Parts: sequence; C-alpha cells; structure tokens
Amino acid sequence: DSGVTQTPKHLITATGQRVTLRCSPRSGDLSVYWYQQSLDQGLQFLIQYYNGEERAKGNILERFSAQQFPDLHSELNLSSLELGDSALYFCASSVAERASYNEQFFGPGTRLTVL
Amino acid sequence: DAKTTQPNSMESNEEEPVHLPCNHSTISGTDYIHWYRQLPSQGPEYVIHGLTSNVNNRMASLAIAEDRKSSTLILHRATLRDAAVYYCILREVSGGSNYKLTFGKGTLLTVNP
Repeated sequence: DSGVTQTPKHLITATGQRVTLRCSPRSGDLSVYWYQQSLDQGLQFLIQYYNGEERAKGNILERFSAQQFPDLHSELNLSSLELGDSALYFCASSVAERASYNEQFFGPGTRLTVL
Repeated sequence: DAKTTQPNSMESNEEEPVHLPCNHSTISGTDYIHWYRQLPSQGPEYVIHGLTSNVNNRMASLAIAEDRKSSTLILHRATLRDAAVYYCILREVSGGSNYKLTFGKGTLLTVNP
C-alpha cells in the first residue's frame, strides 16, 4: 500500500459525458501527478500540481483539467469523453516540488471505460 | 525530450542475477536516471535512481556508465515477485523549477521458477 488513494476504482460512462477522478496523496506529500495508461500509448504524464499550483504539464488534452485543493487532494476532470479516453488513470504523490530525490508513490489507479 | 531505449522483454531464472539495460544517449547533465517497475494490475513502484555514481538500495543496484549514455538495473537474485515491467526514466528539468518523468514502453521481465 503506497498511501495514495484513488476513487473510484472503476468508472463506466458514455461518450460525451464528463467524469471526475479523485486522488488523495500520502500524508505530508505536497506534489500530485496524474498519468494516463492505455494499451497503445503506455504510461503518459498528464499534469503535476504542487501545493495547489500547477507545476508541469505533459500530454494533457484541452478536454481534461485538474486541480489541487487546500487539503492537497486532487481531482482530474475529463469532459466530452471519447472512446479513446478509456484507460487507467494513475495518481502519484511526492514530498517535494523539485528535489534531487523524487520518489513518486503511485495509487492503485482508476479504470475508465467509455462506451 | 530525452528518450530512453530498453529491450521489450527479458527472461531470467529464479535466484539468478538480472541485468536490465537502458540506453539514454541524449541525456543532459541535469537529468537523473530513475527506475520504476509495475507489477501486474498495480501502479508503478519506485525502484532506484541516480545521477552519476552507482547506487545501491535494498531492492536493486544501478550501474551508470561513465559517459552516462547508458545504465543497468541489477537485481541480484530474481524472485517470482520481481516479474514486472521495468521502466527506465529520465527526470527532465524543463521550464525552471518544473520537471517531469517520461515513461517509455519498459522491459517486461519474466522470471522462471
């Protein structure tokens, strides 16, 4: 158990819909990262937040957005869903924003299925 | 983006050492080399990281070439629980204080009993 929790575990929805994935980082971790893992694209970094502020952006679509709240939990919002958005979405957390030692702790993931 | 190249798959026997190679010929001076692994149906798990010197921890050793263009993750005695996809990743610094991890396809390690 990494200490990172993600809800829900599974999500099934239809094209065009909007969903919200939630992540609670490990106690004391200020950074939260979101990743998407699909069969054809592998594990792709989406976005990082540190203490409520966006810090780094990866291959995140404009239809996707994220935020980190004052209690440090984070939400990833996916809208206008397409079939190709079906994937595993992982959240990870780490202590520091920028440090030579940056171990990320990954949650168990949310499996999103878009029908 | 600096990229890494790993073999798609490798096989090992239980109790034997495993050397997982990674090429990163475009690595820059500030890039750290990280290794993560992903067991079936789980999120990735940190294994080890380094910059220039070889590193050891309870899970593995990381041997980094002198020119830093390649590295090798060493599992000293493979167990069945080590069967996973192993990712070699460069921690790139971009845009000042930002950084990111770029995962490649990884190496699928099969451990035979």
